[in-house]
Amino acid sequence: AQTVTQSQPEMSVQEAETVTLSCTYDTSESDYYLFWYKQPPSRQMILVIRQEAYKQQNATENRFSVNFQKAAKSFSLKISDSQLGDAAMYFCATSYGKLTFGQGTILTVHP
Amino acid sequence: DADVTQTPRNRITKTGKRIMLECSQTKGHDRMYWYRQDPGLGLRLIYYSFDVKDINKGEISDGYSVSRQAQAKFSLSLESAIPNQTALYFCATSVRGPNYGYTFGSGTRLTVV
Repeated sequence: AQTVTQSQPEMSVQEAETVTLSCTYDTSESDYYLFWYKQPPSRQMILVIRQEAYKQQNATENRFSVNFQKAAKSFSLKISDSQLGDAAMYFCATSYGKLTFGQGTILTVHP
Repeated sequence: DADVTQTPRNRITKTGKRIMLECSQTKGHDRMYWYRQDPGLGLRLIYYSFDVKDINKGEISDGYSVSRQAQAKFSLSLESAIPNQTALYFCATSVRGPNYGYTFGSGTRLTVV
């Protein structure tokens, strides 16, 4: 069984600043994938970034990047140059056949 | 049109009523899933189907049933709704293995009173 833990129920950041959202996971599988999803108030689930566990290089998508520490089973999301539109619930998830989600972190962006 | 369509978008129902949430997709994906989202708990898997003849329970299947009518359609039923089934429900699809993530519907907000 896989588990995902997001220990920060809420985070806040000033516009244009950088924020990091934490995620730890547990899995007995060797071949798996990790994801960050964004859920704005519209409640749509939007894929932000994905990481393949067998790749050591951290994934990057524009202002979003991850710090993947496989041995520590840690997968944090860094948002650079935060924008008002980044305000949302963020979910970390891992997959091996099916997606398992963390509890979510609500991100507030202050102008 | 959306790739994954859920109906209804919002629904209020009474305790003890039977209710069906519907999901249809135009992605051509074989795999379909039903999740529920609760505050502080994230999304939890209710049922999943890897093809039309394959139905599997997720971690919280009690009180729910599903039907995979076709590759494109996957319905979730609450046989006798209870208040603690009040939640946001998501349908999702994926290709074989969710390595590229899922495609989600826009969710159904269900309130049981």
